[in-house]
Amino acid sequence: NAGVTQTPKFQVLKTGQSMTLQCAQDMNHNSMYWYRQDPGMGLRLIYYSASEGTTDKGEVPNGYNVSRLNKREFSLRLESAAPSQTSVYFCASSEGGGRASYEQYFGPGTRLTVT
Amino acid sequence: GENVEQHPSTLSVQEGDSAVIKCTYSDSASNYFPWYKQELGKRPQLIIDIRSNVGEKKDQRIAVTLNKTAKHFSLHITETQPEDSAVYFCAASIWYQLIWGAGTKLIIKP
Repeated sequence: NAGVTQTPKFQVLKTGQSMTLQCAQDMNHNSMYWYRQDPGMGLRLIYYSASEGTTDKGEVPNGYNVSRLNKREFSLRLESAAPSQTSVYFCASSEGGGRASYEQYFGPGTRLTVT
Repeated sequence: GENVEQHPSTLSVQEGDSAVIKCTYSDSASNYFPWYKQELGKRPQLIIDIRSNVGEKKDQRIAVTLNKTAKHFSLHITETQPEDSAVYFCAASIWYQLIWGAGTKLIIKP
């Protein structure tokens, strides 16, 4: 049981490049989330998927898109990377049927640098 | 919108002493309040949580208290140890999201 996995672990992009961060969970959870965490800061929600087939914007969605490919997988895409998107990106999942009243399990994170 | 305030931002305690971190939330509809610990370079991990129908919950050296009327909840760590050094985040649920506090860096002095 791997829990929540993310790929890649590290990535360096040039301004304007695009990339997709992958996330998968094997806990049969309904809800999945993408957060960013800037150095020394808290967690900010980018997008979430309350259940398979639905996605919604969080606090900081600009510059990102998401796809809930199936119940297991939730990807985050940067279409045109900017230095302001340099951050650590965490994916999380939760069993809750939408409501956030359950523990969120986090992946190991992707450390992204945009130069 | 929903807001969670967390204090202090940094807390330094002597090993063996107690540590208390406090959070306040704004939306009375919040009904789930988790606390996460994040060690340097690692992912956040749940250490304890409480629901709105419970006033206090304890797990060994860690306890959480909730005051719904005042809309605040606190994390208590007793007999602190070096491995307690980390950043601690509180959060409050609102619909499909968790609203996070800004974090408290806990330093345990030997």
